[in-house]
Amino acid sequence: EVQLLESGGGLVQSGGSLRLSCAASGFTFSNYAMSWVRQAPGKGLEWVSAISGSATSTYYADSVKGRFTISRDNSKNTLYLEMYSLRVEDTALYYCAKQRGQDGGDIDYWGQGTLVTVSS
Amino acid sequence: AVRMTQSPSSFSASTGDRVTITCRASQDISSYLAWYQQKPGKAPKLLIYAASTLQSGVPSRFSGSGSGTDFTLTISCLQSEDFATYYCQQYYSYPRTFGQGTKVEIK
Repeated sequence: EVQLLESGGGLVQSGGSLRLSCAASGFTFSNYAMSWVRQAPGKGLEWVSAISGSATSTYYADSVKGRFTISRDNSKNTLYLEMYSLRVEDTALYYCAKQRGQDGGDIDYWGQGTLVTVSS
Repeated sequence: AVRMTQSPSSFSASTGDRVTITCRASQDISSYLAWYQQKPGKAPKLLIYAASTLQSGVPSRFSGSGSGTDFTLTISCLQSEDFATYYCQQYYSYPRTFGQGTKVEIK
């Protein structure tokens, strides 16, 4: 059974930093691209970032480019999102998500999310 | 970035109704289109991928169609558990983009 367990969310001041983690199990982690998707309170889904299975390719939404860094440790089956220079508008529930392919594909599994709150 | 536009944004329907949600891409995305269902307080769930392929375990009352720029999600006979918000997403290119969502409410 695929499981994705996010952690690391919390309350941080504007301009601060936070590191999210996602522990994956139930599949061969290194074979699949992974994404972070966020959802602000009461709003829709916003794709944030993705990384290929081999970690050779990374992708970012314009809204976070230069402030967020996605990475993965395939030996630990863990996905990360380092967030810097956080803004109030980064407040959201952050989902870790598995993609169907090595470097792409739809999202076939989602975690339950970790909440990031950025205060002014 | 590819812009995804869903319509309608919300509507009311009754159990047993046939409902259709539309998603339009700002450029040709072939069949790289997925549909997700989200219930309040829950993570999204994949329903359809490759525009028309039903994800394993999803009831057959859900179906998807379309290619290029115009896509539809159809629920043939709405059930009580189908009242939720539905999102389309293109995975043709990065950055990935979602539609704004369609909320299906009980009439």
